[in-house]
Amino acid sequence: DGGITQSPKYLFRKEGQNVTLSCEQNLNHDAMYWYRQDPGQGLRLIYYSQIVNDFQKGDIAEGYSVSREKKESFPLTVTSAQKNPTAFYLCASEPSGGTGADTQYFGPGTRLTVL
Amino acid sequence: AQSVTQLDSHVSVSEGTPVLLRCNYSSSYSPSLFWYVQHPNKGLQLLLKYTSAATLVKGINGFEAEFKKSETSFHLTKPSAHMSDAAEYFCVVISGTGFQKLVFGTGTRLL
Repeated sequence: DGGITQSPKYLFRKEGQNVTLSCEQNLNHDAMYWYRQDPGQGLRLIYYSQIVNDFQKGDIAEGYSVSREKKESFPLTVTSAQKNPTAFYLCASEPSGGTGADTQYFGPGTRLTVL
Repeated sequence: AQSVTQLDSHVSVSEGTPVLLRCNYSSSYSPSLFWYVQHPNKGLQLLLKYTSAATLVKGINGFEAEFKKSETSFHLTKPSAHMSDAAEYFCVVISGTGFQKLVFGTGTRLL
């Protein structure tokens, strides 16, 4: 059963803590993406990776970090430098060379709440 | 830069009546446009995409959209709404050269 999985589904963070959100795909896709979704807004791009061991900042990368050590995994760390991290986080992957122009497949999301 | 504007934040319909979700785009060249759907607390699913072939695009679940260059519009329609269509819908345009990122509208909630 192919797809994208994200864990955990819900995550609570205390102020000053770093937390890591997991994203795994078994679709053999080259490109992976992290988006943030806030109420009443569309998705905004945090980071993307077109190939293993390479990643680029998106529009709102401040306070976040990523790694891409394996093709199937693209974890996102929300650091204490992110001042307003409460949001719904979505991971996506894309089958082509990661031009962004092909269909993106989304995971079910992680809802992060800062206490 | 490319952008999209979804003209309605909420649209209410009764089961069996037509659905119209409006989207206008801004682009300096012929754009690629998408509609995605998101059910509550779920990821997004592609409904349909336009990539400069036929201007009337048919998608999944009976949805379709028509690309109208003269009106810079890409409205999403369905002849007869079903309860399972209740969700949030996003109009998306591709922006940029080289790496082309998705630019999302603010969404329309279909009730």
